[in-house]
Amino acid sequence: SQELEQSPQSLIVQEGKNLTINCTSSKTLYGLYWYKQKYGEGLIFLMMLQKGGEEKSHEKITAKLDEKKQQSSLHITASQPSHAGIYLCGADSSGTYKYIFGTGTRLKVLA
Amino acid sequence: DVKVTQSSRYLVKRTGEKVFLECVQDMDHENMFWYRQDPGLGLRLIYFSYDVKMKEKGDIPEGYSVSREKKERFSLILESASTNQTSMYLCASSSPGRNQPQHFGDGTRLSIL
Repeated sequence: SQELEQSPQSLIVQEGKNLTINCTSSKTLYGLYWYKQKYGEGLIFLMMLQKGGEEKSHEKITAKLDEKKQQSSLHITASQPSHAGIYLCGADSSGTYKYIFGTGTRLKVLA
Repeated sequence: DVKVTQSSRYLVKRTGEKVFLECVQDMDHENMFWYRQDPGLGLRLIYFSYDVKMKEKGDIPEGYSVSREKKERFSLILESASTNQTSMYLCASSSPGRNQPQHFGDGTRLSIL
């Protein structure tokens, strides 16, 4: 079965610093989704990547899907306390209706 | 703007009670999902529905049932609540097919005493 592994599991950065979160799949990705979850709340959809080499940006957050479509990275530029939360990647599980989710990366930004 | 609404943010129930969690979406989505989220275990799919009155078991359906009588509403039922069902419950909806993001509600934090 397909699995998504995220790294790092947690991250503490000083405000203004850049950071990167990775999501690696055990199989080829056909659709990769990034979500943000504030503590104790639901998931907020950030962006979707479909094509190898694709890159998308939303405010100061940029996500890329590598050419082989087995890894995605999420990069935050000049982090702010409002970026704090849990970032999860999700993907269409091959051959089913289901999604699979990564284990999440917990981000804390120190003011 | 997309909207998935879960009926309660916090809920406290007693062991053995029948518990209903309601979810409504206003996006005319065919697919709806119920997950539970627990520390260290991530998001786990309980049930999903791809059409009215249609349902399929997810990875952890034991102790739960669902109802989808109308397209916009998907209910999760805990037949006889137990303490190990204390969790964060998340509802989501999406259009059918691949490359369709799921949109989530705010979650219901359920405590079973």
